[in-house]
Amino acid sequence: EAQVTQNPRYLITVTGKKLTVTCSQNMNHEYMSWYRQDPGLGLRQIYYSMNVEVTDKGDVPEGYKVSRKEKRNFPLILESPSPNQTSLYFCASKGNSLHSNQPQHFGDGTRLSIL
Amino acid sequence: AQSVAQPEDQVNVAEGNPLTVKCTYSVSGNPYLFWYVQYPNRGLQFLLKYITGDNLVKGSYGFEAEFNKSQTSFHLKKPSALVSDSALYFCAVTLQGSARQLTFGSGTQLTVLP
Repeated sequence: EAQVTQNPRYLITVTGKKLTVTCSQNMNHEYMSWYRQDPGLGLRQIYYSMNVEVTDKGDVPEGYKVSRKEKRNFPLILESPSPNQTSLYFCASKGNSLHSNQPQHFGDGTRLSIL
Repeated sequence: AQSVAQPEDQVNVAEGNPLTVKCTYSVSGNPYLFWYVQYPNRGLQFLLKYITGDNLVKGSYGFEAEFNKSQTSFHLKKPSALVSDSALYFCAVTLQGSARQLTFGSGTQLTVLP
């Protein structure tokens, strides 16, 4: 089954404790992206990747890091999480980075709470 | 800069009645427009898209959307709502030829009342 898999689905942690949210897709997609969803704000892009070893900032990259060492994986790293990063996070992918008319496939989300 | 506005946070409709979820956009150039639906504890699912051509686009689950260039709108519609249509709906826009960014609206919670 074609899917985007995020782990963990839920995490409660404390300020300053480094964490990683993993994202993996099994569709051989070039493009991957991370979003955060906050009430009343919709989804905002954090980082995206056009292909292996190619990443770039989205609209709200502060406090986050990403890497794309393999095509299937695109982890999101919070080196020193803060309470304002409490949010619902989504990973997404699409087949061809240059085809902006392609819809994105989304994971089921990771709810992070940072105390 | 591109943007999307969904003016209604909440839309309530009776089962069997037609529904409309509104979306207006702003982009410098020709847009690609999308509707996604989010059910509780799930990711966004693609419903339909406008690329070019016919202004009325048909998508999954009986939904359709009408592209209106002069009003810069892309409203989502369904002739007869089902209780199972209750969900959070997002409109999104990107620029034709843009490899980077999909901009989402703030979302509209649709509740279909039995």
